[in-house]
Amino acid sequence: QVQLGQSGAEVKKPGASVKVSCTASGYSFSSYDLHWVRQAPGQRLEWMGWLNPNTGNTGYAQKFQGRVTMTKNTSTRTVYMELSSLSFDDTAVYYCARAYGAAAFDYWGQGTLVTVSS
Amino acid sequence: SYELTQPPSVSVAPGETATLTCGGDDLHSKSVHWYQQKPGQAPVLVVYDDKDRPSGIPERFSGSNSGNTATLTIGGVAAGDEADYYCQVWDLGADPVVFGGGTKLTVL
Repeated sequence: QVQLGQSGAEVKKPGASVKVSCTASGYSFSSYDLHWVRQAPGQRLEWMGWLNPNTGNTGYAQKFQGRVTMTKNTSTRTVYMELSSLSFDDTAVYYCARAYGAAAFDYWGQGTLVTVSS
Repeated sequence: SYELTQPPSVSVAPGETATLTCGGDDLHSKSVHWYQQKPGQAPVLVVYDDKDRPSGIPERFSGSNSGNTATLTIGGVAAGDEADYYCQVWDLGADPVVFGGGTKLTVL
């Protein structure tokens, strides 16, 4: 069955960077784009960007341009999302999600809590 | 950038039908997807491409999209349907993935 397994919770200081991983299983890794979506406590879902596992092409939300980098390791079927220059506002649960068709997210990772605290 | 508008909350009695709306300019020209999110859990896709249901989603969940409004209808609402519901589209703008603000469905 399709599964997206994410790395564990992180605590970071302001100004630091965080790198979250998402390992895919149960389907052809190269066939579906993977997206990252975050959710601050009590807030809406916020799209961050996408990566094409076949080409490595990426696209980022304007809000995160220059601060986010998405990469992949095809041999381990893993995509990574690195966010730099963290601030308290970056405290959130970060999700990876597989995109089907017109970017319908049919499978989601379990989420990774990133806490930014001094 | 494109915006989707959802009412913050909807309340419905058990067994009744819940109607959740999502508004946006010329929304009918886009494919609308709906997600259910329960506290502490990842979102779950319940309707995609306006009206299609993923495998395992009950027929009680149905969707439509016309004009500037998409609608998620949940028939025979039960306590287990209490959750936040988000609509989402793919847009050709600078930020191609857009989520609505979410609607909290309360089962009375």
